[in-house]
Amino acid sequence: GENVEQHPSTLSVQEGDSAVIKCTYSDSASNYFPWYKQELGKRPQLIIDIRSNVGEKKDQRIAVTLNKTAKHFSLHITETQPEDSAVYFCAASKDDKIIFGKGTRLHILP
Amino acid sequence: DGGITQSPKYLFRKEGQNVTLSCEQNLNHDAMYWYRQDPGQGLRLIYYSQIVNDFQKGDIAEGYSVSREKKESFPLTVTSAQKNPTAFYLCASSRFTSEQYFGPGTRLTVT
Repeated sequence: GENVEQHPSTLSVQEGDSAVIKCTYSDSASNYFPWYKQELGKRPQLIIDIRSNVGEKKDQRIAVTLNKTAKHFSLHITETQPEDSAVYFCAASKDDKIIFGKGTRLHILP
Repeated sequence: DGGITQSPKYLFRKEGQNVTLSCEQNLNHDAMYWYRQDPGQGLRLIYYSQIVNDFQKGDIAEGYSVSREKKESFPLTVTSAQKNPTAFYLCASSRFTSEQYFGPGTRLTVT
């Protein structure tokens, strides 16, 4: 079955700097790759997603890149702000079955 | 965030008892999911259902059971066979291979 590896598990960046979180997946048939943000005590919420026919997608300060050949995808957050502090999960999906990575706890330092 | 509800928010049970967690959605989504969240383990898939009266095992289905008699409802039963049931349980729903909407979660404590 699908296996999703996510790195790093914890990331601290200075406010205003960029943050990058990386994920790899094992099933080459996976075709949908969402990223979720979970703030403390809240439910996960989708922040950006990408499908397998696209290499990059941007939404304001957030971007995701996908390399299907290498089976990895990354989340990029630019100009980080205090409200970006949260746990971020990547996921890979095929036919409605979604497998999540273990998460990255992002700390934004003042 | 509205449209998918879980109850109760906190649940306490004695070891050896079965317990059922409720999940209801009014988003008209076909697919529904149950995840277990433990510190450092991310979201692990227990069961998912793509259509009424059908469901599939996820990666950690042992000790759990589900039913999908109605499109809106996907209850999860944690049985006494689950060796370590204390956890935070999240339900989600989605249209086919798209954004998942999560419920607020149920924190189950078994003593």
